[in-house]
Amino acid sequence: AQTVTQSQPEMSVQEAETVTLSCTYDTSESNYYLFWYKQPPSRQMILVIRQEAYKQQNATENRFSVNFQKAAKSFSLKISDSQLGDTAMYFCAFMPNSGYALNFGKGTSLLVTP
Amino acid sequence: DAGVTQSPTHLIKTRGQQVTLRCSPKSGHDTVSWYQQALGQGPQFIFQYYEEEERQRGNFPDRFSGHQFPNYSSELNVNALLLGDSALYLCASSRWTARSYEQYFGPGTRLTVT
Repeated sequence: AQTVTQSQPEMSVQEAETVTLSCTYDTSESNYYLFWYKQPPSRQMILVIRQEAYKQQNATENRFSVNFQKAAKSFSLKISDSQLGDTAMYFCAFMPNSGYALNFGKGTSLLVTP
Repeated sequence: DAGVTQSPTHLIKTRGQQVTLRCSPKSGHDTVSWYQQALGQGPQFIFQYYEEEERQRGNFPDRFSGHQFPNYSSELNVNALLLGDSALYLCASSRWTARSYEQYFGPGTRLTVT
């Protein structure tokens, strides 16, 4: 079974600053996908960024980037130039290439303050 | 493109009753997954439908059943509702492309069991 651990239940960052959210996972699979999803109070789950395990290059989407350490089974999300609209729950998720279900962590609540 | 749509938005049921939730996938997507998200938790995978058949199932009792129609839309049925079934139910549609995998979530249905 795969498990996803997000060790930071809550985090706070000031507007325009940079924040990093942590995620570790446990799996015996060699091929898989990792995701970060954002869930604002509106509850719509929005894909932030995706990483294929076979790619060594870290994924980047505008202000969002990941630090993927396959050997350490670590997948952190860095948000640069934080904006008030980034306030939300952030979920890390794992999907093996051999399966179809997303395994989610418990989430990190991020608050961006003025 | 309307994206993934779900109905109804909110639902209140009494313990012991039955409920049906509906999902329409994003255009071009042929796979639908259902997730249960309890308050303050990450989503938990219920099952996934592909080509009108249940392809994978999570750790949920048989009270939870589903269906996929030829137009790829899907229903989630829950029988003999328990208070613990109160949650946000998320539908996600997905597809594999030549280059990667994409999955998008709907806005969810909030089910309250009294």
